[in-house]
Amino acid sequence: DAGITQSPRHKVTETGTPVTLRCHQTENHRYMYWYRQDPGHGLRLIHYSYGVKDTDKGEVSDGYSVSRSKTEDFLLTLESATSSQTSVYFCAINRADNEQFFGPGTRLTVL
Amino acid sequence: GENVEQHPSTLSVQEGDSAVIKCTYSDSASNYFPWYKQELGKRPQLIIDIRSNVGEKKDQRIAVTLNKTAKHFSLHITETQPEDSAVYFCAARGGGSYIPTFGRGTSLIVHP
Repeated sequence: DAGITQSPRHKVTETGTPVTLRCHQTENHRYMYWYRQDPGHGLRLIHYSYGVKDTDKGEVSDGYSVSRSKTEDFLLTLESATSSQTSVYFCAINRADNEQFFGPGTRLTVL
Repeated sequence: GENVEQHPSTLSVQEGDSAVIKCTYSDSASNYFPWYKQELGKRPQLIIDIRSNVGEKKDQRIAVTLNKTAKHFSLHITETQPEDSAVYFCAARGGGSYIPTFGRGTSLIVHP
């Protein structure tokens, strides 16, 4: 599905380094989301955006920041990565029919 | 805020059997209930959804039922096949909100 892409798809980094994950959509939707997925925890919302420069925190936002300077791009930054942030990160958009459509995911490992 | 509980966490069935996954929600204002299927290593994908003005919805072998009074909804899969093996997530979203709350997922294993 070309509607939403994530980069990188895989990343290994060291504790204490900054990491930025990118989400890009081609569908011009207003709402975008970042989730993390960990075994036993399902999908947990990190941050979301409801428009350019409009963002808000989710349930697990500590240690993460986001930016949205263009409708199509939503960036997630781990300011100083920790091992507890090892996870699979999914970006999503909210389509007009209310479907949350997910990107392919980014597998992040923090050593 | 909304709280969604999903059971069971793991469900093992034989091919051809039916499978039922149940979710409860806490916010009576929730009015949209999607179900997602996530195959191993893939993204979650919407398979069916239901709105609060409907009690049941079917799509081939899958169906979802909603009981607003009891605040629970269920996913039913009939004639299960090995390709139904995946993790299934329920979610609930309130009126006017664009933030769904997800259940923790059910790992469905269909044995050939």
